[in-house]
Amino acid sequence: GENVEQHPSTLSVQEGDSAVIKCTYSDSASNYFPWYKQELGKGPQLIIDIRSNVGEKKDQRIAVTLNKTAKHFSLHITETQPEDSAVYFCAARHQAGTALIFGKGTTLSVSS
Amino acid sequence: SQTIHQWPATLVQPVGSPLSLECTVEGTSNPNLYWYRQAAGRGLQLLFYSVGIGQISSEVPQNLSASRPQDRQFILSSKKLLLSDSGFYLCAWSTDAPRETQYFGPGTRLLVL
Repeated sequence: GENVEQHPSTLSVQEGDSAVIKCTYSDSASNYFPWYKQELGKGPQLIIDIRSNVGEKKDQRIAVTLNKTAKHFSLHITETQPEDSAVYFCAARHQAGTALIFGKGTTLSVSS
Repeated sequence: SQTIHQWPATLVQPVGSPLSLECTVEGTSNPNLYWYRQAAGRGLQLLFYSVGIGQISSEVPQNLSASRPQDRQFILSSKKLLLSDSGFYLCAWSTDAPRETQYFGPGTRLLVL
């Protein structure tokens, strides 16, 4: 089955700096890779996703890159702000109709 | 637009007591529904998922069960809670469209004492 590894588990940056979170997956047939942001005491919220036929996707300060050959994908947050502080989860899905497999999460802290 | 509700928001229960958590989705038909558990400081563990009424798949053998009595209602239950059942329980939904993104509810925090 699919296995998703996420690094680092914690990340501290200064406001305005960039943050990068990396995930690797094991199943080369996986084709959908979402990223979720979870604030304290709330459910995870989808922030960006990418499909296997695309190498990079951007949405304002957030971007995701996918390297299918190496089986890894990354979340990039530029110009970080204190409100970006949260736990971020990556996930991978093998095929439609199956459940997402999540990484263990990264706690991002942005200090002003 | 679609919305997902969970209740209760928080729950404190004694060991050995029963449990019933409810999840409902509005604004969509025939969604796929999921129950996850998140232990403190840990990732998301898929417990059950359902592709239709009465259709439940269990991912992890445990003290919990799930039921789907209606199209947009998903219930997580236990006959006798264990201390290890404490955690943050999340319900999610997705559609059968190719995108099939999962959208999470606000969660229920369960503390078993």
